[in-house]
Amino acid sequence: DTAVSQTPKYLVTQMGNDKSIKCEQNLGHDTMYWYKQDSKKFLKIMFSYNNKELIINETVPNRFSPKSPDKAHLNLHINSLELGDSAVYFCASSQRDSPEYFGPGTRLTVT
Amino acid sequence: GENVEQHPSTLSVQEGDSAVIKCTYSDSASNYFPWYKQELGKGPQLIIDIRSNVGEKKDQRIAVTLNKTAKHFSLHITETQPEDSAVYFCAASQFSGGYNKLIFGAGTRLAVHP
Repeated sequence: DTAVSQTPKYLVTQMGNDKSIKCEQNLGHDTMYWYKQDSKKFLKIMFSYNNKELIINETVPNRFSPKSPDKAHLNLHINSLELGDSAVYFCASSQRDSPEYFGPGTRLTVT
Repeated sequence: GENVEQHPSTLSVQEGDSAVIKCTYSDSASNYFPWYKQELGKGPQLIIDIRSNVGEKKDQRIAVTLNKTAKHFSLHITETQPEDSAVYFCAASQFSGGYNKLIFGAGTRLAVHP
């Protein structure tokens, strides 16, 4: 299936831990994104990479570090997790001047 | 920067009725306006989009209208069905350098009652 996929789907961890979320797209898109959806369903862009180059970096704590090993993958690493990091994180991808397609999301719960 | 407001936050209709969701945006440079549907436990799914050189676009029961002067755009769903129940998001962006920076509205929870 052609799609944007994320792993894991659920992630439960304790405060202070470090965790990673992985994203892969097989749509051949050049640009990938990370979004955060809070408990009120509000969706906000965090980062975007185009051909492995960071192009959008919103006001996000530097505990969040995206990494793009190639243009089909964009991973999100989070250090020193805090309670406020609990949210659903969505990966998305797009081709030049075309719509964004979203992955199924990763629900992160920090206890 | 861009700001998108979306109304209403919740909408309840009877099956077969029409539903309308409205959004306004602040940045006149925005030129791309997609609508996404998010079902419970899933990622947002693109259902229709419109660019600033078009005033209206229709796809079966779904239509979107854009008024650039007033900076607002609307989603119209006709003959609603229970499977239309979901959260709908509007967004605005300016295609720049080949990528998007989508700014989303706060979402509308649509409930279609049989």
